[in-house]
Amino acid sequence: QKEVEQDPGPLSVPEGAIVSLNCTYSNSAFQYFMWYRQYSRKGPELLMYTYSSGNKEDGRFTAQVDKSSKYISLFIRDSQPSDSATYLCAMITFGGSQGNLIFGKGTKLSVKP
Amino acid sequence: EPEVTQTPSHQVTQMGQEVILRCVPISNHLYFYWYRQILGQKVEFLVSFYNNEISEKSEIFDDQFSVERPDGSNFTLKIRSTKLEDSAMYFCASGRTGGDQPQHFGDGTRLSIL
Repeated sequence: QKEVEQDPGPLSVPEGAIVSLNCTYSNSAFQYFMWYRQYSRKGPELLMYTYSSGNKEDGRFTAQVDKSSKYISLFIRDSQPSDSATYLCAMITFGGSQGNLIFGKGTKLSVKP
Repeated sequence: EPEVTQTPSHQVTQMGQEVILRCVPISNHLYFYWYRQILGQKVEFLVSFYNNEISEKSEIFDDQFSVERPDGSNFTLKIRSTKLEDSAMYFCASGRTGGDQPQHFGDGTRLSIL
């Protein structure tokens, strides 16, 4: 079983739609969860960073973590063509490890004008 | 906003040659990382570095790889004898502290081995 599973898409939505992106994981030791956005030929850009189960909101973005189900989500409201990118979930265990982010494969999102 | 910078953006090298990828992490960050992304695949962890020594490394990071912080600003990844399968995007990242703080990535170096 892969540690982090993410549907690669592609996902195509009209401008203004609400987008839901999801990842599941198998390792209950994961404690910190991140969402990165990656444009073509660019590095991952941090969007959201969460620790607790529940929701965290930042502008049009909401990150949701459900540790009991080992499931995380990213919601994008009022999606824009500029949101077209690949979205990567990433997670890390607490303490001990000095690094070693584990990434999902990424979901490619296209927002059509 | 401070950012991680990487040079060169694209490196083309003959198989068997040595290559050095360079990174300037964010200035007040203490933890440094290298990741790679083979085309169409996941971003994979290579190595983490703190206090002038390797903290953790993956199975990918074998004896052909080394990292160094030669001065107060640069962080380098050296591949001693490149193989075709080393062709990938290599990303440098830095973090203010260890696992409980997010890592910030550079835009990567695209390494092409011929």
